[in-house]
Amino acid sequence: EVQLLESGGGLVQPGGSLRLSCAASGFTFSTYAMSWVRQAPGKGLEWVSSISDNGGATYYADSVKGRFTISRDNSKNTVYLHINRLRAEDTAVYYCAKYETPHSGFYSRSFDHWGQGTLVTVSS
Amino acid sequence: SYVLTQPPSVSVAPGQTATITCGGDNIGVKRVHWYQQRPGQAPVLVVYDDFDRPSGIPDRFAGSNSGNTATLIVSRVEAGDEADYYCQVFDYNSDHWVFGGGTKLTVL
Repeated sequence: EVQLLESGGGLVQPGGSLRLSCAASGFTFSTYAMSWVRQAPGKGLEWVSSISDNGGATYYADSVKGRFTISRDNSKNTVYLHINRLRAEDTAVYYCAKYETPHSGFYSRSFDHWGQGTLVTVSS
Repeated sequence: SYVLTQPPSVSVAPGQTATITCGGDNIGVKRVHWYQQRPGQAPVLVVYDDFDRPSGIPDRFAGSNSGNTATLIVSRVEAGDEADYYCQVFDYNSDHWVFGGGTKLTVL
């Protein structure tokens, strides 16, 4: 059974930093691209960032480019999202999601499994 | 950037059919995926690649995609289908993954 478990959320002051983690199990983690998707309170889903299976390619939404960094450790079956210079508008539940298709064929594919999310609150 | 447009809300009586649209420029050439999100829960994939269903998703959920509109049809609607539904595609021009704004399905 595929499981994705996010952690690392919390209350942070504007301008602060945070590292989110997503521990994966139940599939061959090193062969799948992974993604982060967020949802602000009462709002819709927003794609944030994605990373290829070997970590060699990364992608970012315009709203977070330059402030967020996605990375992964395939030896630990974990994907990370490093968040810097946090703003109030970054307040959201951050979900980790797995692509449906392994290796390089993930671009147009769906997110077939999601974690339960971790809440990031940016407030002074 | 590529934009997906969904109606904010759709209401339907139990047992009837709900139709949720997702509009986008020439969306018919893209693979469209649909997610259900019940209150307080994570999204769940209900339709992928326009019309395929993951295992465990009932055949009451069906999808289609042509021209500038993709559609999710929920037949024989049940109270448990009440949720937010999001369409999603990949935009090759920007290398961005895009979600629609979401549609709240209310079962009357």
